[in-house]
Amino acid sequence: GAVVSQHPSWVICKSGTSVKIECRSLDFQATTMFWYRQFPKQSLMLMATSNEGSKATYEQGVEKDKFLINHASLTLSTLTVTSAHPEDSSFYICSARDPLEGGQFFGPGTRLTVL
Amino acid sequence: AQTVTQSQPEMSVQEAETVTLSCTYDTSESDYYLFWYKQPPSRQMILVIRQEAYKQQNATENRFSVNFQKAAKSFSLKISDSQLGDAAMYFCAYRSAYAGNMLTFGGGTRLMVKP
Repeated sequence: GAVVSQHPSWVICKSGTSVKIECRSLDFQATTMFWYRQFPKQSLMLMATSNEGSKATYEQGVEKDKFLINHASLTLSTLTVTSAHPEDSSFYICSARDPLEGGQFFGPGTRLTVL
Repeated sequence: AQTVTQSQPEMSVQEAETVTLSCTYDTSESDYYLFWYKQPPSRQMILVIRQEAYKQQNATENRFSVNFQKAAKSFSLKISDSQLGDAAMYFCAYRSAYAGNMLTFGGGTRLMVKP
């Protein structure tokens, strides 16, 4: 099946700094990628839909200036958490849509800890 | 907007026994897809099984099968011959056939398998 990678898998940063998370589709081209946030023992909450070559679509309540999404190529989307604060600590998961199969494949996730 | 409800926060099953996880959803659409995802302790989301709403036949994948009741908007997952490796969080998800590829997740059910 299709493979989606994320980097880094775990990052610790100081409050006020910015962190970039990469999501790559390794063996297919993904015109659409999705970013989710998951708090401990909770479900996945969709943050935004990332479309290659255009602006991301953010879900209600998600600050677009805080969570910058760039989908510059068909295999890479990035999520940048700007001026991170401890409340941004969470597990971030990306997924990519395979346009041929129509399925959605998930990356392994990134654990962000803001001190 | 669509909603997905998993009414069982936790379930327990004896190894080799059968367990059924419940999922209900609310939608006004006639065509959609339903999924069960498994999230083990590694937190990698794994697709277990999918069902197209236009298909009356219940999907099966080896030990995993669903009971899809479209009129009742119910989509339960049955795991037969439970194995220790089945222990995980299980999420039911809905995807519209009309708009994009975004998934709406239920709150999840934690499945414990007793040896």
